[in-house]
Amino acid sequence: KQEVTQIPAALSVPEGENLVLNCSFTDSAIYNLQWFRQDPGKGLTSLLLIQSSQREQTSGRLNASLDKSSGRSTLYIAASQPGDSATYLCAVRNNQGGKLIFGQGTELSVKP
Amino acid sequence: KAGVTQTPRYLIKTRGQQVTLSCSPISGHRSVSWYQQTPGQGLQFLFEYFSETQRNKGNFPGRFSGRQFSNSRSEMNVSTLELGDSALYLCASSWGLNYGYTFGSGTRLTVV
Repeated sequence: KQEVTQIPAALSVPEGENLVLNCSFTDSAIYNLQWFRQDPGKGLTSLLLIQSSQREQTSGRLNASLDKSSGRSTLYIAASQPGDSATYLCAVRNNQGGKLIFGQGTELSVKP
Repeated sequence: KAGVTQTPRYLIKTRGQQVTLSCSPISGHRSVSWYQQTPGQGLQFLFEYFSETQRNKGNFPGRFSGRQFSNSRSEMNVSTLELGDSALYLCASSWGLNYGYTFGSGTRLTVV
């Protein structure tokens, strides 16, 4: 059974820092992995999608990597800003079907 | 381009009642999934529909049901509401297995 873990559960950093969020999964048979952000009380906003054949994806200040063999993904945020404060969730899509399996999220706070 | 639209945004119901939530996917998306989000359990998969057929179902009791119409719009129904059904219900749509999911803003259901 696929399990997804995100570390740390919460992170507080000063504005301008570069930071890394971690995501690990137990079953490497995935279609893809998707990173989302969620603001309090809101829906999920897709940040990056990495296919199982890809190693990384970049969008602006965000870079996500995928190491399928070790069951790990990282989300790198460069030059963090207070507007980056949110909960970041990673989710994997298994080969067995279309459903997403989510981690518990990392709550990020960027202090001005 | 319109995103995923969920209605209503907020609902307050009494224990024992039933409720129907609606989701309109992005135009052209035929895959629609539903998730329940609670502080204790995080995001949990409810069901997935593709071209009016349920492809996957999560581990929820039979009180939770759904359907998809020919225009890809989807509804989910919860009967005999319990206090524990209070949650944010999120709908997501996708082109298919190799594509990412786009989420709606959710319906906040409170059962009193």
